[in-house]
Amino acid sequence: GESVGLHLPTLSVQEGDNSIINCAYSNSASDYFIWYKQESGKGPQFIIDIRSNMDKRQGQRVTVLLNKTVKHLSLQIAATQPGDSAVYFCAEGTSGSRLTFGEGTQLTVNP
Amino acid sequence: GAGVSQSPSNKVTEKGKDVELRCDPISGHTALYWYRQSLGQGLEFLIYFQGNSAPDKSGLPSDRFSAERTGGSVSTLTIQRTQQEDSAVYLCASSARDRGYNQPQHFGDGTRLSIL
Repeated sequence: GESVGLHLPTLSVQEGDNSIINCAYSNSASDYFIWYKQESGKGPQFIIDIRSNMDKRQGQRVTVLLNKTVKHLSLQIAATQPGDSAVYFCAEGTSGSRLTFGEGTQLTVNP
Repeated sequence: GAGVSQSPSNKVTEKGKDVELRCDPISGHTALYWYRQSLGQGLEFLIYFQGNSAPDKSGLPSDRFSAERTGGSVSTLTIQRTQQEDSAVYLCASSARDRGYNQPQHFGDGTRLSIL
């Protein structure tokens, strides 16, 4: 069936380093992809999204890359800070429909 | 408030009781979603409302689960005859629409439901 999964369940980085969180998806019909950050006891917080007509989108300290050929999505966080420590989820969907979420990656930033 | 509001934030109830969970979406958002998140897991889709269209109920796990959205705004998720496996965090999200495309979903902080 359709699925969205993450390559690494945990990621530990040093403060100031760049972080890369990867995600694979299997539904080639998906045309919308999104990353969320979730801190303990909170709901997911929107970070950045990208539509399938793009392969790269940048925000503040974050970049999302989309490779439709291999169905791969990544989130890059520049100059990672302790406040970036959280669980990161990717999700995919089609316009006007619900999202299918991956399992999440725990990012830990060491001072 | 500016964000999605959910109530109660925590709910503890006995097995077999009915529960109602409430979601107030962001004003003007036409789409509303319910998800369920078990401890340490990803989000499981439950139901989706879009404007006046019939809701997508394909994620509801059993007929004990139902949801309504009144007046295109507030939504209530009802679980009847609760079971211990219903224990989870129930998350609500809303989004706007722009030229036919849904915009990012914005989440509330959820209701943590514990069934004893």
